[in-house]
Amino acid sequence: EAGVTQFPSHSVIEKGQTVTLRCDPISGHDNLYWYRRVMGKEIKFLLHFVKESKQDESGMPNNRFLAERTGGTYSTLKVQPAELEDSGVYFCASSQVDSFYEQYFGPGTRLTVT
Amino acid sequence: LAKTTQPISMDSYEGQEVNITCSHNNIATNDYITWYQQFPSQGPRFIIQGYKTKVTNEVASLFIPADRKSSTLSLPRVSLSDTAVYYCLVGGYGSGNTGKLIFGQGTTLQVKP
Repeated sequence: EAGVTQFPSHSVIEKGQTVTLRCDPISGHDNLYWYRRVMGKEIKFLLHFVKESKQDESGMPNNRFLAERTGGTYSTLKVQPAELEDSGVYFCASSQVDSFYEQYFGPGTRLTVT
Repeated sequence: LAKTTQPISMDSYEGQEVNITCSHNNIATNDYITWYQQFPSQGPRFIIQGYKTKVTNEVASLFIPADRKSSTLSLPRVSLSDTAVYYCLVGGYGSGNTGKLIFGQGTTLQVKP
């Protein structure tokens, strides 16, 4: 069974540019989560999808971040325009509906904004 | 989700048993205790989950006393490859809970040869 995949693994962009991160969850997992870790801080929740619906967006830092999950399969997280403080590692995780604390994480995308 | 407290770091040697204790004094009746492991440059990995008494799988054991205000993750005979950060999280499956994980600092376990 393929795990959660994320693309790209690393992205370096300049302040003000746009970046789109992609996450492919494990097939059949309706729950999809985005988290991020900024330098020196703890892993923080960003948002949660159930299929294509946003269930919880409470962790999204501001309106420069836009997440989508069209068709309930893969998800994208767009940062536009990127700021220096957006640098960090962005993790995606997926889980089955009835065991949502057992989440499978991807390797993360390391975003560097210069 | 209930706040958890665990040691920032621990050292051990290969072949030893390691016990990491987590405090969760405000755990709710429907809360479960979940542990994750994270290696450098990887995402966290689910290790084990329990509600009470003892749970064991191929990776670890989880001991939960009757009052459930703490839990202990036990790693038998650790090897160098067990060097990682271990996170204790608490959360329930009741109404309003959706699996939002709240990570603390975790416990950095360093296994030495």
